[in-house]
Amino acid sequence: QTVVTQEPSLTVSPGGTVTLTCASSTGAVTSGYFPNWFQQKPGQAPRSLIYSTRNKHSWTPARFSASLLGGKAALTLSGVQPEDEADYYCLLYYGGAQVFGGGTKLTVL
Amino acid sequence: EVQLVESGGGLVQPGGSLRLSCAASGFTFDNYEMNWVRQAPGKGLEWLSYISSSGSNIYYADSVKGRFTISRDNAKNSLYLHMHSLRAEDTAVYYCAKKGTVVGTIDYWGQGTLVTVSS
Repeated sequence: QTVVTQEPSLTVSPGGTVTLTCASSTGAVTSGYFPNWFQQKPGQAPRSLIYSTRNKHSWTPARFSASLLGGKAALTLSGVQPEDEADYYCLLYYGGAQVFGGGTKLTVL
Repeated sequence: EVQLVESGGGLVQPGGSLRLSCAASGFTFDNYEMNWVRQAPGKGLEWLSYISSSGSNIYYADSVKGRFTISRDNAKNSLYLHMHSLRAEDTAVYYCAKKGTVVGTIDYWGQGTLVTVSS
């Protein structure tokens, strides 16, 4: 059973920078896993932020960026805003199947 | 504007069946692959199933393989999830999600429909 692991929770100060990571139990995450990142706020459907490792959707704020870092997929928020407080999920593509990470609860404090 | 509207959720007894629908609009439905994703109360997202644009390729998560069936009707711009032998642990909000043009991409999500499995 493939497991995708994210930090359960992170805290960042307003205006600060934070990096969330996404690891695969199968080994290093590469671009071939087409990492996606999603944001979900309480009571709302998820919103897509990043696709194919580092590409932003037209609606993704510029302060969000993504990359591969140390064998993991990474999502970096720079100049964090209070409205960035949310759950963040990564998704990795394993051929036909896809697996979500457990999610990171980001607190802006 | 892309819209995905799920329906068909509700209360069902353990062992029962339910069919979820996802009505798509604002894009050429038969050009795009689709997914079903669920979220149990207070838990994370779980990918359930994928269907190609023509319906010829289908994949399932192990947790639902053999119990859930994904299908689509391109003439009706609709995606379906047929759920059988439902268990308490299937209680969740079920989302349909549109794949983007790039491999492995999800771009748009519906608002979700709640399925509760309980006696």
